[in-house]
Amino acid sequence: SQTIHQWPATLVQPVGSPLSLECTVEGTSNPNLYWYRQAAGRGLQLLFYSVGIGQISSEVPQNLSASRPQDRQFILSSKKLLLSDSGFYLCAWSGGQSDTEAFFGQGTRLTVV
Amino acid sequence: GENVEQHPSTLSVQEGDSAVIKCTYSDSASNYFPWYKQELGKRPQLIIDIRSNVGEKKDQRIAVTLNKTAKHFSLHITETQPEDSAVYFCAASKGGSYIPTFGRGTSLIVHP
Repeated sequence: SQTIHQWPATLVQPVGSPLSLECTVEGTSNPNLYWYRQAAGRGLQLLFYSVGIGQISSEVPQNLSASRPQDRQFILSSKKLLLSDSGFYLCAWSGGQSDTEAFFGQGTRLTVV
Repeated sequence: GENVEQHPSTLSVQEGDSAVIKCTYSDSASNYFPWYKQELGKRPQLIIDIRSNVGEKKDQRIAVTLNKTAKHFSLHITETQPEDSAVYFCAASKGGSYIPTFGRGTSLIVHP
């Protein structure tokens, strides 16, 4: 069966520090991968998505970046965090070849102080 | 691109009442419409979905309806229970990449 791992679960980082959140998927190949952010409200803001290795599409311009070094690995990074980067970050995957649901990781609660 | 509108943003009901959440989408090519439930501090999880070749789907107390002509779909929860309290998201996606576009969410509060 497929599983998605996202870590860390919580993170407190000072302003200006770098960020690296990692997400891996097991049990499937060539998934679509996504990074979402959920701020103080409830909405799921799509930050990045990837339909293949090295293919990254950005939905919202900001100081975050994403990379997909391997088929089932998706990394969210920042060189210098801002206070406004605080939020709940969710990685997700879905099947790229059929209309299937999105499966979410456990999420990372990021607090920038 | 696709745009999904979801209403209401907050819904408060008494236990046992029904709850209805509505979504509209803009891209007529969208053909897959899932609904997710997110409990506080947890990840969203699929509760029901519907494809464009179906008008209605039921799963116990939960049902979803789709009107392709009007480009709207709705989630119906009957006999609500306190454990139904959560944020519900609708989404729409289409063939090809199947990247989902989410609505802004509805906070459902069921009072015992």
